[in-house]
Amino acid sequence: QVQLQESGPGLLKPSETLSLTCTVSGGSISSYYWSWIRQPPGKGLEWIGYIYYSGSTKYNPSLKSRVTISVDTSKNQFSLKLNSVTAADTAVYYCARGRSSWNQWGQGTLVTVSS
Amino acid sequence: QSALTQPPSASGSPGQSVTISCTGTSSDVGDYNYVSWYQQHPGKAPKLMIYEVSKRPSGVPDRFSGSKSGNTASLTVSGLQAEDEADYYCGSYAGSDNLGVFGGGTKLTVL
Repeated sequence: QVQLQESGPGLLKPSETLSLTCTVSGGSISSYYWSWIRQPPGKGLEWIGYIYYSGSTKYNPSLKSRVTISVDTSKNQFSLKLNSVTAADTAVYYCARGRSSWNQWGQGTLVTVSS
Repeated sequence: QSALTQPPSASGSPGQSVTISCTGTSSDVGDYNYVSWYQQHPGKAPKLMIYEVSKRPSGVPDRFSGSKSGNTASLTVSGLQAEDEADYYCGSYAGSDNLGVFGGGTKLTVL
């Protein structure tokens, strides 16, 4: 059973860059799509974007100008960078396997943006 | 505001059936058979319950079923059990530029 685990700083200041990594264990990152999804406290889910193991990406148009997703197949990891964060980016960030439906999820990591 | 519209709440007694709707547009739910449903208990990650409108992943009880008519998808939970109490989110493919959209979520209460 594949497992996903997010890691990265939990507290950022406005204008900083959010950087998270998702480590995939129990299976290979190859031959699958991998996504980032976030959930502001008490609110619904928002798809951020996906990456294929080969490196091709798609991003949510509302975040596209600030988002970069990358993959490191040698480490079985993929990563998220979100530039110029504001309080509106405060959320639980999940990594998940899939492109338009997601069948494996990490436990999520809370990222708070506050001065 | 979410791209897909769900009722904020739904409820039913143990053993009963409840249906949760998810309304989109002809650019997402209505145009693609890629609707999925997720169950989320408090403090936990979402769990895939239905994909491609009506398919169940291995391990999901057959009490959970999905369907679609036009721009509206539905999740039906039959034989309600206490552990079904959770938030439920629908998701849909929305074309090659905006691959993933979600509903705002429905809180299911088992009375």
